[in-house]
Amino acid sequence: EAQVTQNPRYLITVTGKKLTVTCSQNMNHEYMSWYRQDPGLGLRQIYYSMNVEVTDKGDVPEGYKVSRKEKRNFPLILESPSPNQTSLYFCASSLMGLNTDTQYFGPGTRLTVL
Amino acid sequence: QKEVEQDPGPLSVPEGAIVSLNCTYSNSAFQYFMWYRQYSRKGPELLMYTYSSGNKEDGRFTAQVDKSSKYISLFIRDSQPSDSATYLCAMTASSGSARQLTFGSGTQLTVLP
Repeated sequence: EAQVTQNPRYLITVTGKKLTVTCSQNMNHEYMSWYRQDPGLGLRQIYYSMNVEVTDKGDVPEGYKVSRKEKRNFPLILESPSPNQTSLYFCASSLMGLNTDTQYFGPGTRLTVL
Repeated sequence: QKEVEQDPGPLSVPEGAIVSLNCTYSNSAFQYFMWYRQYSRKGPELLMYTYSSGNKEDGRFTAQVDKSSKYISLFIRDSQPSDSATYLCAMTASSGSARQLTFGSGTQLTVLP
């Protein structure tokens, strides 16, 4: 089954404790992206990757890191989480960018930073 | 001012009603317009995709783009309780390899049986 998986689905942590949210897709997609979703603000892009070793900032990259060492994986790293990073996070992938391809979203990771 | 404005609702309609969901935008460079549906506790899924101006129909769903007014709409005919979800508009500028989507904040729709 074609899918985007994220782990963990739920995470409660404390300020400053480094964490990684994993994202994996099994569709051989080149493009992957991370979003955060907050009430009233909709989905905002954090980082995206056009292909292996090619990443770029989205609209709200501060406090986040990403890496793309393999095509299928695109982990999101919070080196020193803060309470304002409490949010619902979605990973997404599409075949080759956005213009003509369906973007598949993962199920989401709900992060709470105390 | 946000680049994309969307009425957050919530919107509640009886089963069988025609639903109209709307977004306005300010960036005239946007060329590709999408509607996503997001069920509770799920990721968004692409519902409709439209390039430039005009209408596109898919079953009970019609997407409409008016670039002169910077206004897009999604119409749902004969709405069903299974249509209850949050609907997000999204758009991106025309380019060789668009990399970013700009989303509206979403409209929460409930269709009552």
